[in-house]
Amino acid sequence: AQTVTQSQPEMSVQEAETVTLSCTYDTSESDYYLFWYKQPPSRQMILVIRQEAYKQQNATENRFSVNFQKAAKSFSLKISDSQLGDAAMYFCAYRATGTASKLTFGTGTRLQVTL
Amino acid sequence: NAGVTQTPKFQVLKTGQSMTLQCAQDMNHEYMSWYRQDPGMGLRLIHYSVGAGITDQGEVPNGYNVSRSTTEDFPLRLLSAAPSQTSVYFCASGTGGRTEAFFGQGTRLTVV
Repeated sequence: AQTVTQSQPEMSVQEAETVTLSCTYDTSESDYYLFWYKQPPSRQMILVIRQEAYKQQNATENRFSVNFQKAAKSFSLKISDSQLGDAAMYFCAYRATGTASKLTFGTGTRLQVTL
Repeated sequence: NAGVTQTPKFQVLKTGQSMTLQCAQDMNHEYMSWYRQDPGMGLRLIHYSVGAGITDQGEVPNGYNVSRSTTEDFPLRLLSAAPSQTSVYFCASGTGGRTEAFFGQGTRLTVV
């Protein structure tokens, strides 16, 4: 069975600084997808960024980027120029190919952004 | 497009009562799932469907039933609610053409 581990229950970053959230996973599959979802107090699950395992290039979305290390099964999220609106719970998630909407989630990291 | 719509948004049940959480999507997605979210445990898969008439169990299926008679709807039934089922429930849908899942806004269920 696949597992996803987020070892940082809480993180804090000052506005305009950079923070990295960690995620490791375990799978025997060779082709899969990895995601970071943001959950603000509104409870809505918002996709932040996705990474296809077959792509060596790390995904980027504006201020958000990932460091994908396939051999180490590591998938960290870097948030640059942090903003107050980035404060939320962040979940790392995995799914194998051909199983859309069947995700395995980590336990989440609560990010606090301070002035 | 409405996306994934869950109803109700909040519900309080007494132990032993039954109810159905509704989930509907208007994106013609073949895949739909139900998750529960508990503090410190992330989201866990309850049941899953790959198309109308096809369902499968996830990680935590006990106490929940599902059926999928149409592509659009995927209701989750609690036959006899227990306090351990107090949680936030999310419905999600997806398609083979896109990699990400789309989530509803969640239902906060309290069983007293």
